[in-house]
Amino acid sequence: KQEVTQIPAALSVPEGENLVLNCSFTDSAIYNLQWFRQDPGKGLTSLLLIQSSQREQTSGRLNASLDKSSGRSTLYIAASQPGDSATYLCAVRRISNFGNEKLTFGTGTRLTIIP
Amino acid sequence: DTEVTQTPKHLVMGMTNKKSLKCEQHMGHRAMYWYKQKAKKPPELMFVYSYEKLSINESVPSRFSPECPNSSLLNLHLHALQPEDSALYLCASSRLGQGAYGYTFGSGTRLTVV
Repeated sequence: KQEVTQIPAALSVPEGENLVLNCSFTDSAIYNLQWFRQDPGKGLTSLLLIQSSQREQTSGRLNASLDKSSGRSTLYIAASQPGDSATYLCAVRRISNFGNEKLTFGTGTRLTIIP
Repeated sequence: DTEVTQTPKHLVMGMTNKKSLKCEQHMGHRAMYWYKQKAKKPPELMFVYSYEKLSINESVPSRFSPECPNSSLLNLHLHALQPEDSALYLCASSRLGQGAYGYTFGSGTRLTVV
């Protein structure tokens, strides 16, 4: 059974700092890994997707890396802003038989950027 | 259209009521999903539909009944719910077996059972 863990569970940093969120997973038989952002009481917004054959993806101030062999991914946020405050979730999509798709979420990191 | 639309956004229902949640997408995705999310917890998978057929049921109680009438629409029928079923219900869709593509989530339905 795939287990996905995120460290730290919560993080508070002053505005402007660079920060790293960590995600680890136990089963490396994955199609891809996706990072999401969730504001309180809202749905999930996709930030970045890394295919299993890729090492990293970048979008603006965000950079995500993937080391499939060690079961780890990191999300790097540069020059943090108060608007980055949210819960960040990583999710892995397992390789499956036809019709047996499954996305497993990590435990989440609640990020607070202090103005 | 790159969105998953969920209605209603909020729902309050009594334990004897019958209600339905609706989810719609027009991206041509042939897999659709229901997730349940409790406060401060990650989403938990409930059901998966692939090509309009139920492929995964994560041992969900029968008071939750999913339905996929066509490739664009997914419903979740609710009956005789308990207060502990109060949660955010999220719908998602994806292409099948495609590592280059991810999941798209709707904004959710906030359900309160009284």
